[in-house]
Amino acid sequence: DAGVIQSPRHEVTEMGQEVTLRCKPISGHDYLFWYRQTMMRGLELLIYFNNNVPIDDSGMPEDRFSAKMPNASFSTLKIQPSEPRDSAVYFCASSLFLTTDTQYFGPGTRLTVL
Amino acid sequence: KQEVTQIPAALSVPEGENLVLNCSFTDSAIYNLQWFRQDPGKGLTSLLLIQSSQREQTSGRLNASLDKSSGRSTLYIAASQPGDSATYLCAVRLRNNDMRFGAGTRLTVKP
Repeated sequence: DAGVIQSPRHEVTEMGQEVTLRCKPISGHDYLFWYRQTMMRGLELLIYFNNNVPIDDSGMPEDRFSAKMPNASFSTLKIQPSEPRDSAVYFCASSLFLTTDTQYFGPGTRLTVL
Repeated sequence: KQEVTQIPAALSVPEGENLVLNCSFTDSAIYNLQWFRQDPGKGLTSLLLIQSSQREQTSGRLNASLDKSSGRSTLYIAASQPGDSATYLCAVRLRNNDMRFGAGTRLTVKP
């Protein structure tokens, strides 16, 4: 398996624009996670899905953020409108089980909002 | 609220030295604790996963221990190599299934 795939790897956009980040989890994994990493706050869990259903989105910072998982092999994280404080590295991860299995991380998307 | 602290924030050692990285957490009600490695500009790679019922896990030159009652975990790296240079993060899985990460320890192993 190619591992968790994220695209784009880098995204530079202007404030107010819509940003869509994409993730393809490892085939067969039932859980998908979106994280954000910044120097100030470290790594934070934003939302996770089980079998394509959002289970906990309490980490999503505000209504400008939304995430979907239309099928088992694809998820998106959308920011609309984007703001400079959204600049961060966004990671997607997947796992087979929730509490007994390791998470496999993608390479991340570095987002810069000007 | 669960706080995860890693000490030291940065560590530089000569090649061949054995070293210990520390992780502490404030709430012992966890499912598991995981150690990750992160290389610059890359994602996280899982090194060891310790379930709450376990005391330690070993993989090659790495050994991780867990003392839930005291809220501590250590990652022991034996015979360090320059290729071990990276940031090491610990993370705890809480009972509400949230996951909390420490800020990491940046390790440099000098040849």
